[in-house]
Amino acid sequence: GDSVTQMEGPVTLSEEAFLTINCTYTATGYPSLFWYVQYPGEGLQLLLKATKADDKGSNKGFEATYRKETTSFHLEKGSVQVSDSAVYFCALTPAGGTSYGKLTFGQGTILTVHP
Amino acid sequence: DAGVTQSPTHLIKTRGQQVTLRCSPKSGHDTVSWYQQALGQGPQFIFQYYEEEERQRGNFPDRFSGHQFPNYSSELNVNALLLGDSALYLCASSWGTPRREQFFGPGTRLTVL
Repeated sequence: GDSVTQMEGPVTLSEEAFLTINCTYTATGYPSLFWYVQYPGEGLQLLLKATKADDKGSNKGFEATYRKETTSFHLEKGSVQVSDSAVYFCALTPAGGTSYGKLTFGQGTILTVHP
Repeated sequence: DAGVTQSPTHLIKTRGQQVTLRCSPKSGHDTVSWYQQALGQGPQFIFQYYEEEERQRGNFPDRFSGHQFPNYSSELNVNALLLGDSALYLCASSWGTPRREQFFGPGTRLTVL
């Protein structure tokens, strides 16, 4: 079945450092790919998405590119802030009309940014 | 515009009991999905409701059941609670095609003692 694998955390960075969180997936066809963020005590918020190969999703300085050849969707940010401290989840929904948008998530990566 | 709301926020039950969690979708949304998020894990898909019917189901036992009402709100019921059912239960709503964004509620934290 479909699966998502994220780099193990936690990740600890200083403010203004460069961030990369790796994500790879296993799925047939061309799934849609997502990054969600979960702040302490809150639900999940969509950070960015990409629905076809070579698409780049971006939001709030974060970027991720849909790489079909490496089945990857790595999250990057050039300069992190303390307010970016949260848990980040990579996720996919399968291609095709019978998936009805079921999300499959990775295990999450905890990011802590220090001043 | 209110987002997805869930109640209660926290709940403590004992093994063998039954629990009902509630979800109100974002205005204009007609589809509700439920996810279970164990501590330190990613959310796992339980099931999805559309037009008051269960449209898709994840790998969860029949102890987990649900319902959707005509106003699109939804309930998640869990019978014969086990310690392993302790988790954050998330509700997500959406509308239209499956690739549209799902909006998540803050979740209900269930603790089974």
